[in-house]
Amino acid sequence: QSALTQPPSASGSPGQSVTISCTGTRSDVGGYNYVSWYQQHPGKAPKIIIYEVNKWWSGVPDRFSGSKSGNTASLTVSGLQAEDEADYYCSSYAGGDNFVFGTGTKVTVL
Amino acid sequence: QLQLHESGPGLVKPSETLSLTCTVSGHTISSYNYYWGWIRQSPGKGLEWIGSIYLTGSTSYGPSLQSRVTISMDTSRNQFSLKLSSVTAADAGLYYCVRSIRMVGLDQWGQGALVRVSS
Repeated sequence: QSALTQPPSASGSPGQSVTISCTGTRSDVGGYNYVSWYQQHPGKAPKIIIYEVNKWWSGVPDRFSGSKSGNTASLTVSGLQAEDEADYYCSSYAGGDNFVFGTGTKVTVL
Repeated sequence: QLQLHESGPGLVKPSETLSLTCTVSGHTISSYNYYWGWIRQSPGKGLEWIGSIYLTGSTSYGPSLQSRVTISMDTSRNQFSLKLSSVTAADAGLYYCVRSIRMVGLDQWGQGALVRVSS
């Protein structure tokens, strides 16, 4: 069970969009529609923003959207805002009541 | 309002056992459909799944740590605990307790407990 692969960084100007990929295997991302995304601001605990690939957690703006194709899931942040600058982690159910996390992506708002 | 709070020694000696407790308020850990787990984050690094426990006492552990991890629960105190044996410097980091909805994700997180490993 290896960590899911994410790009280390992504950036965009305010109002632009940024997409983060999350690549796993058939044993995790590709095998289940249970991909979730977490946002972590510096010094804070992560917060769930997307679950079951493309569902918004309560209170999360629809600027955040998720998708999946095969073994790769993606998170798109549209209309970037300053407060979106954070670390983002994907996670997938991996069977046996276990989860696996992505390597994390630092999003910078230019 | 659900809150999770980690507690335990902030400093552990190499080769000894790391022990942390998570106290849950605002929700009973004996609820159906919720699992209670631990995540860690090494300094400047990503998140790592440690494992979880369900109300039946059934546990699941991530493959990388399963030989050294024990998660238990005390429903009378509404707490669950983590023990990680034979720690090394690589085990230092921020340890979060979490509530997990089975297969769906981790919807509630504690603030994290910082653990150092040093003699």
